[in-house]
Amino acid sequence: LAKTTQPISMDSYEGQEVNITCSHNNIATNDYITWYQQFPSQGPRFIIQGYKTKVTNEVASLFIPADRKSSTLSLPRVSLSDTAVYYCLVGAGPGGGADGLTFGKGTHLIIQP
Amino acid sequence: GAVVSQHPSRVICKSGTSVKIECRSLDFQATTMFWYRQFPKQSLMLMATSNEGSKATYEQGVEKDKFLINHASLTLSTLTVTSAHPEDSSFYICSATLGGGPVGELFFGEGSRLTVL
Repeated sequence: LAKTTQPISMDSYEGQEVNITCSHNNIATNDYITWYQQFPSQGPRFIIQGYKTKVTNEVASLFIPADRKSSTLSLPRVSLSDTAVYYCLVGAGPGGGADGLTFGKGTHLIIQP
Repeated sequence: GAVVSQHPSRVICKSGTSVKIECRSLDFQATTMFWYRQFPKQSLMLMATSNEGSKATYEQGVEKDKFLINHASLTLSTLTVTSAHPEDSSFYICSATLGGGPVGELFFGEGSRLTVL
C-alpha cells in the first residue's frame, strides 16, 4: 500500500479556503486517493475520492496532478466546525480487492474565529 | 450514504473479563468489514479484516486469540476482546465497504471506547 505524508497540523480562520496537501510518491496505477475527516471520539467520515485531475462535491474539492504523486484537499470557506483531523488514504479502486486501508498520521486542522 | 452502527459506544470492564463489540451494516450487506484500533492522539491502526463466513485476516502483531472476530452474517461482525487488560483500553472502530463500489470509500461506525480497569 502506498505510504502517505501530510503536515501534522494546520491553522486557519473562519471563512478562509484551506488546502491540505498529501504526498504519495509510490502510488500504484490502480490506486484511488480518498480523504476522510475525523472528529474526536467518532469514526472517520468520507469526504471525497478521486483518481486524477479534479473532483468536486458539495463539501470539498480534490486536485490531483498528472503524475498523481500528490493530492490537495481544498475546503472552501471553512468554519469552526471544520476543526478535525483529515486523513489522506491511497488504495485500490474498483476491482482492486477489499484491502483494509492504512491510515497515516493525518493533519490536525484547527479553525479559529 | 451507507450506515454502519457499533454497539456499545462505551464500555468499562474489569481486568480479566471479556468484552464483545458489535458492528452492523444497517442498510446494506457487507461481505467484508474492517476493525481498527485508535489510541489517544494517534491514527487508526488496522487490526483485522473480517470476511463473512470465513476466518478473519489479522494484521501483523495483532493477537488473533485475544481479539476474536466473527462475521456470521452479511450485516454483522463482532469483535471480542478476551481477558482484557488496561493496555487494551482504546477506541475500537469498524468499517465496511459497499460491494461493487470503489474500495476506498469506507463507511465507519461511531466507534466503541473500551476502558479496562
